[in-house]
Amino acid sequence: GQQLNQSPQSMFIQEGEDVSMNCTSSSIFNTWLWYKQDPGEGPVLLIALYKAGELTSNGRLTAQFGITRKDSFLNISASIPSDVGIYFCAGYKTSYDKVIFGPGTSLSVIP
Amino acid sequence: GAVVSQHPSWVICKSGTSVKIECRSLDFQATTMFWYRQFPKQSLMLMATSNEGSKATYEQGVEKDKFLINHASLTLSTLTVTSAHPEDSSFYICSARAPRELDTQYFGPGTRLTVL
Repeated sequence: GQQLNQSPQSMFIQEGEDVSMNCTSSSIFNTWLWYKQDPGEGPVLLIALYKAGELTSNGRLTAQFGITRKDSFLNISASIPSDVGIYFCAGYKTSYDKVIFGPGTSLSVIP
Repeated sequence: GAVVSQHPSWVICKSGTSVKIECRSLDFQATTMFWYRQFPKQSLMLMATSNEGSKATYEQGVEKDKFLINHASLTLSTLTVTSAHPEDSSFYICSARAPRELDTQYFGPGTRLTVL
């Protein structure tokens, strides 16, 4: 079945540094989603991408929909302690397909 | 944005008892709701898709008689874990799709279930 891979699995960075993480799929998706999950909470949608090549920003976050439709990237600029959490990518082909979640990237920010 | 709530936020029960978890869309009507399970340090796994007024569609490997889903209204879906066992202990998260935003799922805060 469809699978998503995320890298890195975890990262420890210094406050103020920029962060990059990516997500790859074994098949084509037409929608990519990036969520953040805090401990003990449900995921919160950060950015949604609908077109290949699309670059979308949400504050310090920027995400891109890969040209091949098989990958997506999330960048966080000037990280702060509250950026700590697990970042999940998710995607699907059509609105009627189930959303597939990646395994997550755990981000730790050292003050 | 759309808000989804879950109740309770955490529950502890004895083995063999049943537990009901509610998922509500607070400011929109959700024709479709989804139930996920998340084990520690793992990703979300879809359990079932719940459509208002019809039977839920369960993912492969999920026992429909054990995880009863009822989507009685456009704002409420319930998941009942019947005859719970310790291995059912997990974080259960629901999500709802807003009618005009078919491409987006809004997630509830989750329910932590611990079965003793």
